Amino acid sequence: QKEVEQNSGPLSVPEGAIASLNCTYSDRVSQSFFWYRQYSGKSPELIMSIYSNGDKEDGRFTAQLNKASQYVSLLIRDSQPSDSATYLCAVIGANNLFFGTGTRLTVIP
Amino acid sequence: DADVTQTPRNRITKTGKRIMLECSQTKGHDRMYWYRQDPGLGLRLIYYSFDVKDINKGEISDGYSVSRQAQAKFSLSLESAIPNQTALYFCATSSSGNTEAFFGQGTRLTVV
Repeated sequence: QKEVEQNSGPLSVPEGAIASLNCTYSDRVSQSFFWYRQYSGKSPELIMSIYSNGDKEDGRFTAQLNKASQYVSLLIRDSQPSDSATYLCAVIGANNLFFGTGTRLTVIP
Repeated sequence: DADVTQTPRNRITKTGKRIMLECSQTKGHDRMYWYRQDPGLGLRLIYYSFDVKDINKGEISDGYSVSRQAQAKFSLSLESAIPNQTALYFCATSSSGNTEAFFGQGTRLTVV
């Protein structure tokens, strides 16, 4: 079983809609969770980190963490064409940083 | 200047050649990582180092070696390059503890 699993998509949403990205992880003792955005051919950039159960909001982005169910999600409100990218879920487990395969999001104008 | 710098940015090499990818950072982080990225496979960890005297294999270390020359420098070598090592390679750094990683710009390597 992979450490971090993501639905690879692709996910398409119309401009202005909410995009919902999901991720599950296997290591129950994981404490730190991150969402990265990666544009084609570019390096991943951190957009959200979350460490406690519940929601964390930053502008149009909301990260949600449920440690009991071992999932973390990212909501993007009022999606814009510039949000079109691959979103990578990352989890620190076993003292190391593991990434999911990424979900490709396309926001349709 | 970027906090995490990779050189070269692009490289084409022939099968069987030895090649080194270099990474340097100015963030003062202890931890450094090398990942490769292939379409549909996400980021896969090749090697990581938590300090200058610490080197650890990741999930796909075969065919690769690394050197941590200083806290700020971490090099990845392909001793004898093969075509299936064609990929996008990323160096990343993080501080100790459960903190996020910061990435270099990437090196696109093509082995022909």
